[in-house]
Amino acid sequence: SQKIEQNSEALNIQEGKTATLTCNYTNYSPAYLQWYRQDPGRGPVFLLLIRENEKEKRKERLKVTFDTTLKQSLFHITASQPADSATYLCALDFTGGGNKLTFGTGTQLKVEL
Amino acid sequence: EAGVAQSPRYKIIEKRQSVAFWCNPISGHATLYWYQQILGQGPKLLIQFQNNGVVDDSQLPKDRFSAERLKGVDSTLKIQPAKLEDSAVYLCASSSGTNTGELFFGEGSRLTVL
Repeated sequence: SQKIEQNSEALNIQEGKTATLTCNYTNYSPAYLQWYRQDPGRGPVFLLLIRENEKEKRKERLKVTFDTTLKQSLFHITASQPADSATYLCALDFTGGGNKLTFGTGTQLKVEL
Repeated sequence: EAGVAQSPRYKIIEKRQSVAFWCNPISGHATLYWYQQILGQGPKLLIQFQNNGVVDDSQLPKDRFSAERLKGVDSTLKIQPAKLEDSAVYLCASSSGTNTGELFFGEGSRLTVL
């Protein structure tokens, strides 16, 4: 079955630095990959979507890459701020367009002053 | 635009009791999902509806869980009888139905089974 791996350990970084989160998956590549942010006690909120034929996607301070050879996506937050502290989830659709998302376990990011 | 509404936000029950969660998706969204999120884990899909039809319920424990989406709008997820391992947050999400659309999640319903 498909597996998605995200760093289970929290990532602590200093304000102003770039945070990089990793999402690895097994078996065949999905048609697209999404990243979500989840704050404590809240539902996940969509951030970015990247398709299998796209190498990189940007939105303001966020950047996502998608390497289907490595079976990996990287999620970057540049000039990080304490308000960026949250859990970040990657989600993949392995059904080829059925919009049925499988989520990773998420990585908790803490941005310190 | 109103978001996905869920109720109740919190529920505490004894094992073997029953519980029901309600979800009202974003207006016009054809696809509705129920996810289960256990503490420290990512959301796990339980069931996906397209309008009022079930697209996927392969991970729904059908001996105790049931879900319906009458008239293709609101949805109810029921657990009967509840087990201790059902303690989790139940998240409802909706999407516009395009095959790569983002999911809009509600705030979730936190269930504690004692």
